[in-house]
Formats: sequence, C-alpha cells, structure tokens
Amino acid sequence: GAGVSQSPSNKVTEKGKDVELRCDPISGHTALYWYRQSLGQGLEFLIYFQGNSAPDKSGLPSDRFSAERTGGSVSTLTIQRTQQEDSAVYLCASSLLAASSYEQYFGPGTRLTVT
Amino acid sequence: QQQVKQSPQSLIVQKGGISIINCAYENTAFDYFPWYQQFPGKGPALLIAIRPDVSEKKEGRFTISFNKSAKQFSLHIMDSQPGDSATYFCAATRNQGGKLIFGQGTELSVKP
Repeated sequence: GAGVSQSPSNKVTEKGKDVELRCDPISGHTALYWYRQSLGQGLEFLIYFQGNSAPDKSGLPSDRFSAERTGGSVSTLTIQRTQQEDSAVYLCASSLLAASSYEQYFGPGTRLTVT
Repeated sequence: QQQVKQSPQSLIVQKGGISIINCAYENTAFDYFPWYQQFPGKGPALLIAIRPDVSEKKEGRFTISFNKSAKQFSLHIMDSQPGDSATYFCAATRNQGGKLIFGQGTELSVKP
C-alpha cells in the first residue's frame, strides 16, 4: 500500500518568505507527527496530532512555526518569515496507534534550504 | 531526563562481522524502544522495536538486547553486509505513542 508522502521534495526559499510543507499520512492512521532533521541537531520532534485531541506542540522551536491537520488526514507545516537556521529536512510520520501498534512510519522528507 | 544517548557515532565493520550499536536512556517512563535505519536521501525506516518487559527480540539478522536495570539497549546486526551501510537511530517514547526521542545516530559502513 501507499506510504507517507510529502511535498515538495525540495524547497529553496529566500530568507523572510513563508513556506508550506505538506504531508499525506498512510490511510487509516490516526496519529501524525512532524520532525526536523539537521546536521547539528539530529532528529527533533516538532508537533504531534492524535485524532481530535489538542496537538502536542511542545517541540515547535518558535512561534514562526505552526501546523494544522485537516479532516484528520493531510497536514501542513507552515514556517513564517524563514531564517537560515530553518534549513533542514522536515520529516512527517504517521502511526495507527492501535492497542499494540506504536510504529511510526516516515515519509521521504522535504529538504528546505533558506538562502 | 528526555535524552537518549547513542554510541558510537560511526562504525566500520567487515562483511560478515557483527555490528553493535548502544543506547542509554534516563526516563524510566519510556515504554517503547524502536530502531530506525536511514539511507541517504530517504526517510528513516523502522527496523525493529522492543518493549521493556522483554530482554531480547530477534528479527532475522537484527537483534535488540534490552537491560532495564541499566537503562540500556543495543542493536546487534549479525553477518553484516555492505547493503547494511546506513545511519541507524535508536529512539524511545512513552504513553503508548507520542513523540519519539532519538539518539544522535550511528553511521555504519560495512566493508566488502
């Protein structure tokens, strides 16, 4: 079956511009996660959506970062007024979160370059 | 308390050898410990995972050993192959899911 998909695969933007990154989770998965992977920081959690519960935003690095999940499926991560330190690979993952299934499945990521 | 520490940072192993990567954690509330494999330009792929009520789990050439009292767990790759060359991440989470806390990663190179 189809895995987690992300778009675009690459995004180059100028400092100060806003960007939107999209994630399509595996069909039927109720949980969706965003992580960031950068050379200096490794893999960092950003935000987590689970069903209709309030999202866990504890990993968002600043108020320039926001995310939403519409209809319990597709998610968009928005970065406003991008800075060079935002350059990283942004990874989305989804999970079924059934009683015996914690597995998170990752998409290929969006490589963001801020110039 | 939220950190997961992983070692070594890089590892070179001969084909057919055993690759061993170690992780340590502090938070005893963690209840799920997965390992991910990542190839360049790809997202991390789940390799194998364990829960703290089990001391060992084996899937093919990959084995997780878990020491709850020491708060350590390790990945063993038996009969390592050049195709295993990748970056490996350990992780931990709690509360039946939620965010993964990742180790720093180990870059494994298996020489033919």
